[in-house]
Amino acid sequence: GQQVMQIPQYQHVQEGEDFTTYCNSSTTLSNIQWYKQRPGGHPVFLIQLVKSGEVKKQKRLTFQFGEAKKNSSLHITATQTTDVGTYFCAGPRDSNYQLIWGAGTKLIIKP
Amino acid sequence: DAGVIQSPRHEVTEMGQEVTLRCKPISGHNSLFWYRQTMMRGLELLIYFNNNVPIDDSGMPEDRFSAKMPNASFSTLKIQPSEPRDSAVYFCASSPRAASYEQYFGPGTRLTVT
Repeated sequence: GQQVMQIPQYQHVQEGEDFTTYCNSSTTLSNIQWYKQRPGGHPVFLIQLVKSGEVKKQKRLTFQFGEAKKNSSLHITATQTTDVGTYFCAGPRDSNYQLIWGAGTKLIIKP
Repeated sequence: DAGVIQSPRHEVTEMGQEVTLRCKPISGHNSLFWYRQTMMRGLELLIYFNNNVPIDDSGMPEDRFSAKMPNASFSTLKIQPSEPRDSAVYFCASSPRAASYEQYFGPGTRLTVT
């Protein structure tokens, strides 16, 4: 069945280092969305990408949608403690347009 | 604007008891979703409503789970009887558009069944 794979599962970084999470779909997506969930919190919508090759920035966060619209990435430059949490990608299922969620990448800042 | 409102925020109950979780979506949103999140299974969609009508309940684990949306501003998720394996965080989310677009989550209800 249609799948959205997200890697890595965890990433440990020193504060100030960069962080990247990757999302890969088994099929072409009409859009891809990114969400952030802080520890003990709820998923919060960050952004939606729609166009092939699209790149969007939100301060230190850079989101990319692949040319084939099957993969996406989120890159955080110079991580801060406020970036800690789990980042999820999600894309619509072909059959019923409901979101298929990646398993998430947990960003952990090393003490 | 108020976000998605869920109640209660925490629920502890004994196995066999009935549990009712409540959700008020963002005003004007026509899609509503119930999710369950656990460490083992991640985020799972339980049921999706559009314009108060259940569209897809294939994620509802079994007959012990039921959900209703009597009007555009209120939905409930009921578990009867509850079991320890139902322990999880239950999120309600709403969307201003169809299922494939951005969703806004409530704070969740942390359910513990002992």
